[in-house]
Amino acid sequence: KAGVTQTPRYLIKTRGQQVTLSCSPISGHRSVSWYQQTPGQGLQFLFEYFSETQRNKGNFPGRFSGRQFSNSRSEMNVSTLELGDSALYLCASSPGTSGGDEQFFGPGTRLTVL
Amino acid sequence: AQSVAQPEDQVNVAEGNPLTVKCTYSVSGNPYLFWYVQYPNRGLQFLLKYITGDNLVKGSYGFEAEFNKSQTSFHLKKPSALVSDSALYFCAVRDKTGGYNKLIFGAGTRLAVHP
Repeated sequence: KAGVTQTPRYLIKTRGQQVTLSCSPISGHRSVSWYQQTPGQGLQFLFEYFSETQRNKGNFPGRFSGRQFSNSRSEMNVSTLELGDSALYLCASSPGTSGGDEQFFGPGTRLTVL
Repeated sequence: AQSVAQPEDQVNVAEGNPLTVKCTYSVSGNPYLFWYVQYPNRGLQFLLKYITGDNLVKGSYGFEAEFNKSQTSFHLKKPSALVSDSALYFCAVRDKTGGYNKLIFGAGTRLAVHP
């Protein structure tokens, strides 16, 4: 089975721009979660999508948004980029039907905001 | 509030020696606990989980973890460390107030195994 894939792997943007990151989950997985990883704040949950609906949301401003398509692929968007948005963005997939399921992570997208 | 603590920023071990990476948690009710490992420029790889049952959980690459309810701990262990085990290790607990797939992560512990 193919793992979780994320594109692009690296991005460089300037302040004020917007960015879209993509995640393709493991085949058959209906849940996709997004996390932000920074040296200062560690790993923080952004949101989770299940069957095209946002099921959970972390404590991030409205500039961070996402969506999920009928094939379970997910995108997250960050508008009006700030320097502090520089981070590794990780997506994770799971079947999504049990809280005990482990999540499988992609390699991440490293976003640098200049 | 639900939380996870990894009290050590770094653990240094000689190759062949046993290793322990510590994790304590604070969550209401029975916890769902996870360990992940991250290698440089990579995503997180799942090692093991505790949901219910045996307190000693065995996982990938020879790792195991012991769930201790009275001490609210879930320490990661391996009997004999390898240099290739050097990486960043994260303990996580499922946030029960946030639905299925919201994980709360510890700050991470960097494991350095010396030849």
